[in-house]
Amino acid sequence: DVKVTQSSRYLVKRTGEKVFLECVQDMDHENMFWYRQDPGLGLRLIYFSYDVKMKEKGDIPEGYSVSREKKERFSLILESASTNQTSMYLCASNRQGASGNTIYFGEGSWLTVV
Amino acid sequence: AQSVTQPDIHITVSEGASLELRCNYSYGATPYLFWYVQSPGQGLQLLLKYFSGDTLVQGIKGFEAEFKRSQSSFNLRKPSVHWSDAAEYFCAVGYTGGGNKLTFGTGTQLKVEL
Repeated sequence: DVKVTQSSRYLVKRTGEKVFLECVQDMDHENMFWYRQDPGLGLRLIYFSYDVKMKEKGDIPEGYSVSREKKERFSLILESASTNQTSMYLCASNRQGASGNTIYFGEGSWLTVV
Repeated sequence: AQSVTQPDIHITVSEGASLELRCNYSYGATPYLFWYVQSPGQGLQLLLKYFSGDTLVQGIKGFEAEFKRSQSSFNLRKPSVHWSDAAEYFCAVGYTGGGNKLTFGTGTQLKVEL
């Protein structure tokens, strides 16, 4: 079974804190993604990585950065958390190649910034 | 740029009734189209996808979707809904050269009445 694991399911952080969200996939996928999900807005792409140390901005990268030091791990970093970053964050991965390759999602990380 | 519209935010159906969830996309060429389902507190699971060929696509859990190029639509259908189908449903579009990234609709919340 394919597996995308987000280690932290629920987090509460204070404004200004640095936050790390970790994601690991066991499918040897080249591509990894971080999405943010908000009610009424659907999923919006924050960052995308197509290889180790390679990254590309998505639609809403402001206030976020990412790190991909190993193929299986993709981290989302909030340098200084703010209340408007309270959201559900979804990590995903897929195999590089045809644009229609299935994207597999983790179960999500609920982040509350107070 | 591509976009996806899911015009129905909430839909309520009785168990055993038929279901149709609407999805319209905007993209100049032939898109790759997906339907995902999200149960409460969970990540997204792929129901079905369309790349090319037969415009009627069968998916898991008894769902199907039909690609209609003339209407720019990819509506999801199920002939008889079960209470366990209550969830949020997302339509998404990818495209050639899009780097495996998907653009998601805002989702349709399905409620099933017993």
